[in-house]
Formats: sequence, C-alpha cells, structure tokens
Amino acid sequence: NAGVTQTPKFRILKIGQSMTLQCAQDMNHNYMYWYRQDPGMGLKLIYYSVGAGITDKGEVPNGYNVSRSTTEDFPLRLELAAPSQTSVYFCASARERSYEQYFGPGTRLTVT
Amino acid sequence: GQNIDQPTEMTATEGAIVQINCTYQTSGFNGLFWYQQHAGEAPTFLSYNVLDGLEEKGRFSSFLSRSKGYSYLLLKELQMKDSASYLCAVRDSEASGGSYIPTFGRGTSLIVHP
Repeated sequence: NAGVTQTPKFRILKIGQSMTLQCAQDMNHNYMYWYRQDPGMGLKLIYYSVGAGITDKGEVPNGYNVSRSTTEDFPLRLELAAPSQTSVYFCASARERSYEQYFGPGTRLTVT
Repeated sequence: GQNIDQPTEMTATEGAIVQINCTYQTSGFNGLFWYQQHAGEAPTFLSYNVLDGLEEKGRFSSFLSRSKGYSYLLLKELQMKDSASYLCAVRDSEASGGSYIPTFGRGTSLIVHP
C-alpha cells in the first residue's frame, strides 16, 4: 500500500495564479480531509468528504474548492492564490469517523 | 466550539520520562487523539482515548480524565528520535451539535537532549 500520496511536494505560485493539489489514497477509506498547517499553529481543517460525491466545508474553506468523484482521489483547488495561502497542506484519510487519520507527506506552497 | 491547550515547548534528557499535558473545553466529548509529527513530516497516529484511564503502548502511554477535560501523553525511556511535535486532537460529540471531525491543538514541541 502506498497509503496517502500528495503531489506536488513543493510549489511556488504568483499572486492570482491557480493550481490543484492532488491527493490519493489506496486504502479504500471513505473519509478524506484537507488541512493547512502554519508555523506554530495546529492543523486547520479546510474541507472534508465522507464519500464519493459528498464534500463539506471545514473551519477555513475560503479561497479553496474540492471535489470527490472517486473514493481514491480528493483534489484541492486554489483559484486565485493569495499570500495568506502560503502554508503546508496535508491530506488525510480515515476508514470511518471514529478511526485514526492517515496523513500524506504534505505540499509546501509559497505564494509571492 | 472547542478550546484545546498544550504547552508550546518542552525539553527533556535522553533516558528520562516526560509528560505532555492537554486540556480541553468542549460542549460534548467523543474521543481524544495524540499524534506525533517530526519536523518537515506528516503527523502519525499514536493513541486514542474515549474512556477514562490509561492506555499503554510500549514506551508511550496516554491518560484521559473526561470530568477534568484533561489528557496527558507519557513518554518513557526517551530517545533522541522522540524529538518532535506532539499534537492533541479532540472530537466533539455529535449529540451536542458538534462535528465528529477532530479539532487539533497547536502542538507541543519536545526537544530531547543527550
């Protein structure tokens, strides 16, 4: 099992550009999540999904969009990048709601 | 909503024991997780407590007191590789109107020195 994979590992964007952060898991997990982590801060939930076709907003969804067309994939879209979106982004999955989360290696994004 | 509190940083000596505390305030409670995160890496699961008491797993133990809104992670026989950030995450009870998704604290950075 590859577990949870994320691409790219690093990216630099200019203000106003768009990009998609890819996330995939091969554990057949229903639940998937996107977090951002800023220095000295905990993980903040951006969006989550409880299964294919179902997504919902987390604590900090503004400026982001997601889709979940398959169980395996959960891409995160940034439409108009802003410096405030400079962060490390983690994707995670869980078998069921009460189970532990498995995290991907993260994407380090800088917006200048 | 939730309020989760952890110390920002702790230092300890190799071979010693360290206790990392986590206090929380929540309208309902449905479980507490501990994760370990090495610098530049992803968090990895350490433990899960939903009932009061101590859960032991090798050198790591986690304790929960629901009435006090308090948990701790105990690390014994510290090794240099235990230098990492330790994240406490709390799940609200859905019955109280909360979400089943855990909310993370800011993490405690543990530095183990020789």
